[in-house]
Amino acid sequence: DQQVKQNSPSLSVQEGRISILNCDYTNSMFDYFLWYKKYPAEGPTFLISISSIKDKNEDGRFTVFLNKSAKHLSLHIVPSQPGDSAVYFCAASGRGGSQGNLIFGKGTKLSVKP
Amino acid sequence: SQTIHQWPATLVQPVGSPLSLECTVEGTSNPNLYWYRQAAGRGLQLLFYSVGIGQISSEVPQNLSASRPQDRQFILSSKKLLLSDSGFYLCAWGDFHNEQFFGPGTRLTVL
Repeated sequence: DQQVKQNSPSLSVQEGRISILNCDYTNSMFDYFLWYKKYPAEGPTFLISISSIKDKNEDGRFTVFLNKSAKHLSLHIVPSQPGDSAVYFCAASGRGGSQGNLIFGKGTKLSVKP
Repeated sequence: SQTIHQWPATLVQPVGSPLSLECTVEGTSNPNLYWYRQAAGRGLQLLFYSVGIGQISSEVPQNLSASRPQDRQFILSSKKLLLSDSGFYLCAWGDFHNEQFFGPGTRLTVL
């Protein structure tokens, strides 16, 4: 049973437009959420996170929104750039899981076209 | 600053052969350490985690094992590889903020 779901395996966006990546979770005990970016043949790199006490966190072109009632979070990239093309993983952790463990979604491959 | 190393970067092994992948972390003490596998279409699957020397927890039953002989060393092993063990193996360390930092990964191909 997947606790963190990224239902879109891929997303294609034009350069300069907004990219919206979605993530849903089922475990209401999760209280911390993260987004990772991964290029082929490299380890994931941390992008941005959000605590459950917030509903929005912004860092430059990246904004994460959290809707606790819907158990949904999204990552917005504005404006999208070709270098943003990568696989994006959503992850969650909290009191429901082992201490410090992250539960990852399957990822969404973002392609930003020039 | 903290760095995490993994080797080898790529590995091709025959079915039935043993495996040893090594991960070391620098610049931090007593980190939580993790082994993940990324297989096609399956995202990042947590295989093992360790909160200290000699302490290993397994998340999924499998053909692999892990050991932590030193504080900043984490080893992934197998006595006999299966075809299904092919994948991209990632080591990570975690801080108390629940963020994890990944190594460069090892691409394992079992033939």
